[in-house]
Amino acid sequence: DQQVKQNSPSLSVQEGRISILNCDYTNSMFDYFLWYKKYPAEGPTFLISISSIKDKNEDGRFTVFLNKSAKHLSLHIVPSQPGDSAVYFCAANQGGGATNKLIFGTGTLLAVQP
Amino acid sequence: EAQVTQNPRYLITVTGKKLTVTCSQNMNHEYMSWYRQDPGLGLRQIYYSMNVEVTDKGDVPEGYKVSRKEKRNFPLILESPSPNQTSLYFCASSPWDGIIYGYTFGSGTRLTVV
Repeated sequence: DQQVKQNSPSLSVQEGRISILNCDYTNSMFDYFLWYKKYPAEGPTFLISISSIKDKNEDGRFTVFLNKSAKHLSLHIVPSQPGDSAVYFCAANQGGGATNKLIFGTGTLLAVQP
Repeated sequence: EAQVTQNPRYLITVTGKKLTVTCSQNMNHEYMSWYRQDPGLGLRQIYYSMNVEVTDKGDVPEGYKVSRKEKRNFPLILESPSPNQTSLYFCASSPWDGIIYGYTFGSGTRLTVV
């Protein structure tokens, strides 16, 4: 049973435009949500996180939005750059903040076309 | 440089031949974890450790063992590998209260069991 779902396996965007990656979850007890980026032949790298008590967190070109009533979060990348082409994983933390048990989605492959 | 180091990067082995994948971190992190990545399934947690001598099962622990005798090392042991353990494996670490800052992942170990 997939508790964290990324329903779009891939997304293609033009350079300079906005990329929106979506993630849905089923467990209302998740307290932190994170996004990771993964290039081929490398491990995932942390991008941005958001607490369940917030609805938005911004870091440069990256903004994560959380809609708790819909159990939905999204990652916005503005403007998109070719170097953003990678697989993006959504992850949710189960339990208290110190539990550190992350549940990952299946990933979305973002291709930014020059 | 702060990092998580996994070895080997690539490994081909035969069914039933015991193997160990090593993981070491130089950041003095309390928390370490092993994940496997499979197509269409995302990253699934195998085992995790909150600190030295403290380990617990993740979501897919069957066929794996771990140990945490030192803070920096968290080896993954496959006592009798089977073909269904062919996968891409990642080790990760974080501070005890560092969930909001995300895990630091190693570069991965691609294991093939024939």
